[in-house]
Amino acid sequence: QKEVEQNSGPLSVPEGAIASLNCTYSDRGSQSFFWYRQYSGKSPELIMSIYSNGDKEDGRFTAQLNKASQYVSLLIRDSQPSDSATYLCAVRAGSGGYNKLIFGAGTRLAVHP
Amino acid sequence: DADVTQTPRNRITKTGKRIMLECSQTKGHDRMYWYRQDPGLGLRLIYYSFDVKDINKGEISDGYSVSRQAQAKFSLSLESAIPNQTALYFCATSEGGEAFFGQGTRLTVV
Repeated sequence: QKEVEQNSGPLSVPEGAIASLNCTYSDRGSQSFFWYRQYSGKSPELIMSIYSNGDKEDGRFTAQLNKASQYVSLLIRDSQPSDSATYLCAVRAGSGGYNKLIFGAGTRLAVHP
Repeated sequence: DADVTQTPRNRITKTGKRIMLECSQTKGHDRMYWYRQDPGLGLRLIYYSFDVKDINKGEISDGYSVSRQAQAKFSLSLESAIPNQTALYFCATSEGGEAFFGQGTRLTVV
């Protein structure tokens, strides 16, 4: 089982719709969760971080975390063509100070006009 | 100037050659990472370092070695490059939370 799993997509949504991206992780002790956006050939950039159960909103983005189900999601409201990119879920896994940042394979999102 | 700088940005090398990818950072972070990215496989961790004397293997360390010359510098070496090491390589730093990435090095082994 991979430590962090995402559906590779592509996820295709019309402009203005809500895009829902999902991620599951295997280390139940994980404490920190991140969503990165990556345009083709570019480096990943942080969109959201979430540390406690529930929802966290930032503009058009909402991250949701459910530690009991080991599930984290990202909702993008009012999707724009400029949101078309690969979205990487990352989990900080490991014990104590020896934790490392593990990434999923990414979900490719395509927003069409 | 970028906080995390990778050199070179692009490199083509021949099978069997030794190559070094360099990473330097101005963020003052202790933790540094090297990741490899292949299409459809996301970012896979090669090596990570929590300080100059603490270096750890990631999930795909075979065929790679690293050197942490200083807090700000973390180099990745391919002792004898092979074609399946053709990939996009990223260096990253963190203080234990989010990671900050360099611009990436596109390496092609022919």
